[in-house]
Amino acid sequence: DTGVSQDPRHKITKRGQNVTFRCDPISEHNRLYWYRQTLGQGPEFLTYFQNEAQLEKSRLLSDRFSAERPKGSFSTLEIQRTEQGDSAMYLCASSFYLSGPNTEAFFGQGTRLTVV
Amino acid sequence: GEDVEQSLFLSVREGDSSVINCTYTDSSSTYLYWYKQEPGAGLQLLTYIFSNMDMKQDQRLTVLLNKKDKHLSLRIADTQTGDSAIYFCAESTDYGGATNKLIFGTGTLLAVQP
Repeated sequence: DTGVSQDPRHKITKRGQNVTFRCDPISEHNRLYWYRQTLGQGPEFLTYFQNEAQLEKSRLLSDRFSAERPKGSFSTLEIQRTEQGDSAMYLCASSFYLSGPNTEAFFGQGTRLTVV
Repeated sequence: GEDVEQSLFLSVREGDSSVINCTYTDSSSTYLYWYKQEPGAGLQLLTYIFSNMDMKQDQRLTVLLNKKDKHLSLRIADTQTGDSAIYFCAESTDYGGATNKLIFGTGTLLAVQP
């Protein structure tokens, strides 16, 4: 399967614990995006990378959240001191961008986080 | 501010046409998208339209854009049970649509009755 892969698919954690999610984009895609989707809502943009550079962060990304893409390939999203409000589906997407109009972003199946 | 609104639910009979509506507030939107989300699956891009167009047709899908009213619609002809899913409208306000930083609507659940 050469699509966007996310791991784990499900994570249950106790409030106050740290969690880390991983996203493997489609090979050769230089852009990688993180979104968060809560129940009954559409996805909300969190942040995106071009290669290893984090180019934009949403105000939704509090100080407890950090995302990295150290070698410009896979990315990790860490949430420290989780709160119940962090319970959501975390979606990763990737695309290839060279110049001019954007191309399609392909989404992974997401990691569902439940904070108890 | 940026806001995208959709009706929550639509029920149609198999073989009928479905029309899903969306309104957005940011007049600087460059690209407008329709995504499909099935249970347990990721988001799938169905189609998109550039803001200087008013219609786009792609097989059973027709997108209509009324830029004056900031209204976007997706028509699915000959709706099948496999079309049952949540449909999201999304906009990109980046100049030239150069990123996939998207603002999504709340989604419309389409239920197709056999």
